[in-house]
Amino acid sequence: DTAVSQTPKYLVTQMGNDKSIKCEQNLGHDTMYWYKQDSKKFLKIMFSYNNKELIINETVPNRFSPKSPDKAHLNLHINSLELGDSAVYFCASSHSGGIDTQYFGPGTRLTVL
Amino acid sequence: SQKIEQNSEALNIQEGKTATLTCNYTNYSPAYLQWYRQDPGRGPVFLLLIRENEKEKRKERLKVTFDTTLKQSLFHITASQPADSATYLCALDMYSGAGSYQLTFGKGTKLSVIP
Repeated sequence: DTAVSQTPKYLVTQMGNDKSIKCEQNLGHDTMYWYKQDSKKFLKIMFSYNNKELIINETVPNRFSPKSPDKAHLNLHINSLELGDSAVYFCASSHSGGIDTQYFGPGTRLTVL
Repeated sequence: SQKIEQNSEALNIQEGKTATLTCNYTNYSPAYLQWYRQDPGRGPVFLLLIRENEKEKRKERLKVTFDTTLKQSLFHITASQPADSATYLCALDMYSGAGSYQLTFGKGTKLSVIP
């Protein structure tokens, strides 16, 4: 059984388009996250979210928005895609928002042309 | 600003030897430090978590130390095997408010174990 899943695995799109990446976890966790891993392999937190609060990394452009239809899902919507958005995006979850192990999805490789 | 450095971008060792990876941090005093493994094309996988009041933690062939005076963690893999080849990421838990913490990752060290 897949603990944290993401779709699609690959996403190729043109500049200016709007796209979404979906994430689902079946671990019953309360907190979910989105990370961006750039070409230099640097993994950086974008958002953390539980059913109470969204915490946004201040460096994330407001073109990026997380949307959570329920506790098991946290989708990432990106407006007006730019070349610099090309990266691998990872979803993760943890039992709580405190000090906890995080479980990562397989990643979505986004390429903006 | 907080900074996490993993000293080697890449480390090659012979099979059977002990691999030692270093993680240094500045301008922060984390209560916890975690190590993850990442294989190509995959998400990071949790390995070990060590608390500030723990000097050392072990799990099978893995050992982590945490020196809050030196602001350094060492990650050891004993009797290394080619299957241990991967990128290893150090991560600090940083308080982000309202009882929540966020992980800040180092850039990782790519370990290659040569048969």
